[in-house]
Amino acid sequence: GAGVSQSPSNKVTEKGKDVELRCDPISGHTALYWYRQSLGQGLEFLIYFQGNSAPDKSGLPSDRFSAERTGGSVSTLTIQRTQQEDSAVYLCAKEGQHEQFFGPGTRLTVL
Amino acid sequence: RKEVEQDPGPFNVPEGATVAFNCTYSNSASQSFFWYRQDCRKEPKLLMSVYSSGNEDGRFTAQLNRASQYISLLIRDSKLSDSATYLCVVKGSSNTGKLIFGQGTTLQVKP
Repeated sequence: GAGVSQSPSNKVTEKGKDVELRCDPISGHTALYWYRQSLGQGLEFLIYFQGNSAPDKSGLPSDRFSAERTGGSVSTLTIQRTQQEDSAVYLCAKEGQHEQFFGPGTRLTVL
Repeated sequence: RKEVEQDPGPFNVPEGATVAFNCTYSNSASQSFFWYRQDCRKEPKLLMSVYSSGNEDGRFTAQLNRASQYISLLIRDSKLSDSATYLCVVKGSSNTGKLIFGQGTTLQVKP
């Protein structure tokens, strides 16, 4: 979607396993965001990157969640010891001039 | 209480109908306001920004009332293709640019 690539598109994992979700804003933007959309819920902010640093991590639900960004481009969201309540669509967005452009998301299912 | 509240619907309307969605936000320091559209199993996309002066884009009219902390979206002459979830979105008062989403209002336009 709109120059933001995410992989994998779907991920099924077992409870307790670690997962890595990837976001590539393609054209490279300074500001990058991760959000989560659980079933029947609105999107929730997780973390914001400005370049490679994350000045706002306030939305990360627990210390099992972490994210990094390298080269001011690709970002990885890691969830350790996954739980069933982590099942959701994880969306990445880049900042445009007047809006945020979202990637297609990664649908995570924790069994 | 959620920071952005919307009636989740669903709103079921016939083609050609006029339908209005409302949204309230709790943070009076919020800076920017938007309506995003989300199709089933797709990423959200910007429908329109919302200004105090009101703005119109074809069949769509958005309005912001800062005093009441209230945002509205009016769709005239509904089309089948308008069926989607409409997300009320507020950009917070922080300087991180993170978006705060309402739960979304589902619209189903029927022939």
